[in-house]
Order: sequence, then structure tokens, then C-alpha cells
Amino acid sequence: GEQVEQLPSILRVQEGSSASINCSYEDSASNYFPWYKQEPGENPKLIIDIRSNMERKQIQELIVLLDKKAKRFSLHITDTQPGDSAMYFCAASDSNTNKVVFGTGTRLQVLP
Amino acid sequence: GPKVLQIPSHQIIDMGQMVTLNCDPVSNHLYFYWYKQILGQQMEFLVNFYNGKVMEKSKLFKDQFSVERPDGSYFTLKIQPTALEDSAVYFCASSGGDQDTQYFGPGTRLLVL
Repeated sequence: GEQVEQLPSILRVQEGSSASINCSYEDSASNYFPWYKQEPGENPKLIIDIRSNMERKQIQELIVLLDKKAKRFSLHITDTQPGDSAMYFCAASDSNTNKVVFGTGTRLQVLP
Repeated sequence: GPKVLQIPSHQIIDMGQMVTLNCDPVSNHLYFYWYKQILGQQMEFLVNFYNGKVMEKSKLFKDQFSVERPDGSYFTLKIQPTALEDSAVYFCASSGGDQDTQYFGPGTRLLVL
């Protein structure tokens, strides 16, 4: 199982509200979960990550949650700003193969 | 932060020709990766490379693809021969070790005519 499902594919929120993106994975050996932000025409940039020994991590307005039993993890952006508009990709990695499988992406639009 | 460079930024070639995409990874990194992204779609893993060897490759890494890093120079992806469906943006990434942060290059936009 190498799929990483990511929902929603498109997310529109009002500026100042929160945005949530959910991912699920199949490979139970996955133990590292990075999140990337990609602006149009740019390369993906890591914004936050979580390892399997944690359930929650927060960096400023970004919160990631990990539920290993359910094989689900999520990104929450609190107090969204127009600059948060971009594509967001979750990913899951297995230390045995060192291979990263990306989710299908979420296009976030923060409306003024 | 650490920078990964990719050369060229754009490449247009005719179907059937060979192309080599070059990646200059972060200087002390040991793990190297290639990903393929078709416009607006997800990043798809192609291959990872460590200590002169391919560690893992996906179904997208066709027989026409090869990677190498001769003498610690560029990490290259060669496609020979190219096909129309190879048109995409190819991102190189490098990391310092197992599951360390992967830093992505700016991508090479390949168009096969």
C-alpha cells in the first residue's frame, strides 16, 4: 500500500478563519509525515513535519495532528491570511525504504 | 536555507531524443531524489539514490530512465529515448540522512514534442 489520500482537493476559506486538510495513508511502516507548500511555478517547501513518536506539533499558526491507529494525519492553519493561498501536499515516508509518497494536493484559497 | 540547484530550468526536445537533467544537491547531503509533477497534479516519486546506488524506484521510473552521480558531481536523470508523456516538471531533492528534511530544487520544465 503506497497511496496517500488527501482531502479536500480545493479549499476556500475567509481570511482569518481556519483551514483543515486531511490525509490518510496505507503503509503502516510510515513513520515520518512532512507537509509541503507549493506556490505556482515554485518548488515545494517544507512547512512542518511530524514523526510517529508524536501526536501533535505546532509551529506558530500551523498545527499537525497524527493518529497512527487510524493512519490519518492533518494540517490545520489557524487565522489564515492571503499569503497562505497555495497548493499544499502531505506526504508519508517509511524509514526502511526512505521513499516519500505524496498526497494528491489541496489548493487552498484564502478569500479577503 | 540550504539550496538545491537544477540545470536547465527549461528544456524542449523532440520525441525520441535523449535528455539529461542535472541536479546540484546540498553539499553535505547524502540522499538524492527525483520527482515528476505534471501541471497542477501531485508530486510523484521516481527514484532515490544513496552511496552510488538506486535504493528504491517507482513504477514511473521506466527502463528509459537512469540516474547517476559520477564522482560527486551533478546528480543526473537521463531519459533515453524520451516520449511525449515524459513532459512534466522534474524536481530533484536531497536530504542529509534518513527522513531528514528533503530540500527541493526549483525544477526543470521538460517539454517533449
